[in-house]
Amino acid sequence: SQTIHQWPATLVQPVGSPLSLECTVEGTSNPNLYWYRQAAGRGLQLLFYSVGIGQISSEVPQNLSASRPQDRQFILSSKKLLLSDSGFYLCAWSVSRGAYGYTFGSGTRLTVV
Amino acid sequence: AQSVTQLDSQVPVFEEAPVELRCNYSSSVSVYLFWYVQYPNQGLQLLLKYLSGSTLVKGINGFEAEFNKSQTSFHLRKPSVHISDTAEYFCAALVGGYQKVTFGTGTKLQVIP
Repeated sequence: SQTIHQWPATLVQPVGSPLSLECTVEGTSNPNLYWYRQAAGRGLQLLFYSVGIGQISSEVPQNLSASRPQDRQFILSSKKLLLSDSGFYLCAWSVSRGAYGYTFGSGTRLTVV
Repeated sequence: AQSVTQLDSQVPVFEEAPVELRCNYSSSVSVYLFWYVQYPNQGLQLLLKYLSGSTLVKGINGFEAEFNKSQTSFHLRKPSVHISDTAEYFCAALVGGYQKVTFGTGTKLQVIP
């Protein structure tokens, strides 16, 4: 069966520090991968998605970047965190465009102080 | 463009009462529709999906939704809610030709004992 792992679960980082969140999927190949952010009262915001290794589409200009070094690994990074980067980050995967739905990870609560 | 509208940001309902969470989408072409549930500090979980066929779709936890093409709606219903149904619910759509799903802004269901 397919599983998605996302870590860490919680993170407190000072302003200006770097960030690296990792997401891995098991039990499938060539998944579409997604990074979402939930900020208080703002719903789900798609940050990045990837349809293959090294292929990253950015949805919102921001302080973050994403990389897909392996087929089932998706990394969200920042060189210098801002207060506004605080939020709940969710990784998800789908088969192709997602006609059968997305499967989400358990999320990372990031607090920038 | 595809868009998903969830008309109610919060819905309070008494335990064992019925509930309907409303969702409308904008599309004149083929569409796949989904409902997700998110419990506090967790990722989203797929409740049900409509791909084709019967317009009444049954999902997990006793929820069901009805696809209404003429009204471009996909409302979620449960005949009798439990305290454990307290969560945020997201409607989502994937329109033909688009690469990714669009999510609504979410509806917080609060079940009152």
